[in-house]
Amino acid sequence: EVQLVESGGGLVQPGGSLRLSCAASGFTFSSYNMNWVRQAPGRGLEWVSFINTRSSTIFYADSVRGRFTISRNNAKNSLYLQMNSLRVEDTAFYFCARDQTIRGLKDYWGQGTLVTVSS
Amino acid sequence: EIVMTQSPATLSVSPGERATLSCRTSQTVSTNLAWYQQKPGQAPRLLIYGASTRATGIPARFSGSGSGTEFTLTISSLQSEDFAVYYCQQYNNFPPWAFGQGTKVDIK
Repeated sequence: EVQLVESGGGLVQPGGSLRLSCAASGFTFSSYNMNWVRQAPGRGLEWVSFINTRSSTIFYADSVRGRFTISRNNAKNSLYLQMNSLRVEDTAFYFCARDQTIRGLKDYWGQGTLVTVSS
Repeated sequence: EIVMTQSPATLSVSPGERATLSCRTSQTVSTNLAWYQQKPGQAPRLLIYGASTRATGIPARFSGSGSGTEFTLTISSLQSEDFAVYYCQQYNNFPPWAFGQGTKVDIK
């Protein structure tokens, strides 16, 4: 069974940093491109970042470029999101999501971890 | 960047009735469009991909249609477990991978 489990969320002050993790199991993690997608409370889904299998191709949404860094460790079946210079508007549930296809069909999602940016 | 527009924002339907949800894209996405269901406190679940192919385990009452810029998700006979928010997502032109703003299906 495919499982994606996020961790690392919490309360942080504006300007602070957090590192999110996503532990994958039930599939060959190293064979799949991965993403972070976020959802502000009561709002819709916003794609945040993409990383391919070898970490050679990385994309970011304009809203986080220069502040967030995506990475992965295939040996540990883990995906990461380093979030710096956090803003109030970054408050959201952060989901990791697996890409089923090279075009980015997101077929499995974790349950999410909540990041709250507030003073 | 492709803009996704879903309508209506909220759809009130009685159990057993048919629900029709719309998704429009600002540029053609061919059939590279997916639909997701999200219930409160849960992750999105893939329902439909390729505009019309049901994902594994999705009941036949869910169907998708369309191509280009106009897409429809139909739930033929709403069950209690179908009341949720539905999102469309394009995966033809990226990045970014764009989502619609969602349609909430609630009980009439």
